[in-house]
Amino acid sequence: EPEVTQTPSHQVTQMGQEVILRCVPISNHLYFYWYRQILGQKVEFLVSFYNNEISEKSEIFDDQFSVERPDGSNFTLKIRSTKLEDSAMYFCASSELTRRDTQYFGPGTRLTVL
Amino acid sequence: TQLLEQSPQFLSIQEGENLTVYCNSSSVFSSLQWYRQEPGEGPVLLVTVVTGGEVKKLKRLTFQFGDARKDSSLHITAAQPGDTGLYLCAGAEGNNRLAFGKGNQVVVIP
Repeated sequence: EPEVTQTPSHQVTQMGQEVILRCVPISNHLYFYWYRQILGQKVEFLVSFYNNEISEKSEIFDDQFSVERPDGSNFTLKIRSTKLEDSAMYFCASSELTRRDTQYFGPGTRLTVL
Repeated sequence: TQLLEQSPQFLSIQEGENLTVYCNSSSVFSSLQWYRQEPGEGPVLLVTVVTGGEVKKLKRLTFQFGDARKDSSLHITAAQPGDTGLYLCAGAEGNNRLAFGKGNQVVVIP
């Protein structure tokens, strides 16, 4: 069964460093998403992406964040200058164009900012 | 952001018992999703409900969407230890985003 994959599974970085989280969405899906989950809290929407453009973003997704589809398979989330409060699980998700409410999630990347 | 309240937050039952957990909102959703999440892992999609009053079954799990599309319930029949997990409901809002509840932590004791 097709699934969303994410790398790395765990990323440790120093405050102020740049990190890139990578995702390979399900191959026939055209909408891609990033969510995050701070330990013990709800899963929160960050951004959605379609046709090489941001479709929607939340108030969390400020200028420190960017997304890119650098090739035909990968979808990345970049945090330019990490802060302690960026420590969280980051989930990539993807969906079909016509069923954007039905989103399939990857296993997540645990980001730890020291 | 529309709020989804899940209750109870924590539920512990004996193997073989039935349980029901709830997901409620004051807002109308075009659809609701139920996911299951294990510690340190991503949410795994169980079901999407779209039509008010809709009932969907997944083996021993029964999902119902309220008539007004503001609430949903998950009923587990004859719970097994393998049903232990965090059950999340999520509602589609805006164009693309899902709004999640905090989850129902279910523990099934053998």
